[in-house]
Amino acid sequence: NAGVTQTPKFQVLKTGQSMTLQCAQDMNHEYMSWYRQDPGMGLRLIHYSVGAGITDQGEVPNGYNVSRSTTEDFPLRLLSAAPSQTSVYFCASNPTSTDTQYFGPGTRLTVL
Amino acid sequence: GENVEQHPSTLSVQEGDSAVIKCTYSDSASNYFPWYKQELGKRPQLIIDIRSNVGEKKDQRIAVTLNKTAKHFSLHITETQPEDSAVYFCAASKGGSYIPTFGRGTSLIVHP
Repeated sequence: NAGVTQTPKFQVLKTGQSMTLQCAQDMNHEYMSWYRQDPGMGLRLIHYSVGAGITDQGEVPNGYNVSRSTTEDFPLRLLSAAPSQTSVYFCASNPTSTDTQYFGPGTRLTVL
Repeated sequence: GENVEQHPSTLSVQEGDSAVIKCTYSDSASNYFPWYKQELGKRPQLIIDIRSNVGEKKDQRIAVTLNKTAKHFSLHITETQPEDSAVYFCAASKGGSYIPTFGRGTSLIVHP
């Protein structure tokens, strides 16, 4: 049982490039979320999903897209990276039976 | 939407002292209040939580109190140890399909 996994661990992009941050969980959790963590700003919700085929925006969705075709996977897409998207990104999942968020190890993204 | 305020942003204590971190929330419908600990370079992990039908909960050296009338809740750590040094996040949620809203975090430093 690997829990929540994220790839890559580190990534450097140039402004305007696109990329996908991968997130997967093997706990059959219905809910999955993406957060960004910036110094002094806490964990801010980008997008979330309450099940396959269902996604919704969080507090800071601009510049990011998501999809949820399977229960296990919830990729986050940056269409045209900007320096303001330099951050640490965490994926999380939780089952409907509890409200506990299980976080992945994070991806540190730098946009030059 | 929900707004969670967390204070202080930084807390420095001597080993053996107690530490208290306070949070307020805005949505009176919130009924689940977790606390997460994030060690340097690691993912946030749940350390304790409380639901609105309980006023206090303890787990060894940590305790959480909730005042629903005032809409605030606190984390108490007694007999602090250097390994308690981390960033602590509070959060509030209405439970069910609602994703929690996090505070901005408190950096706790325990000096040996």
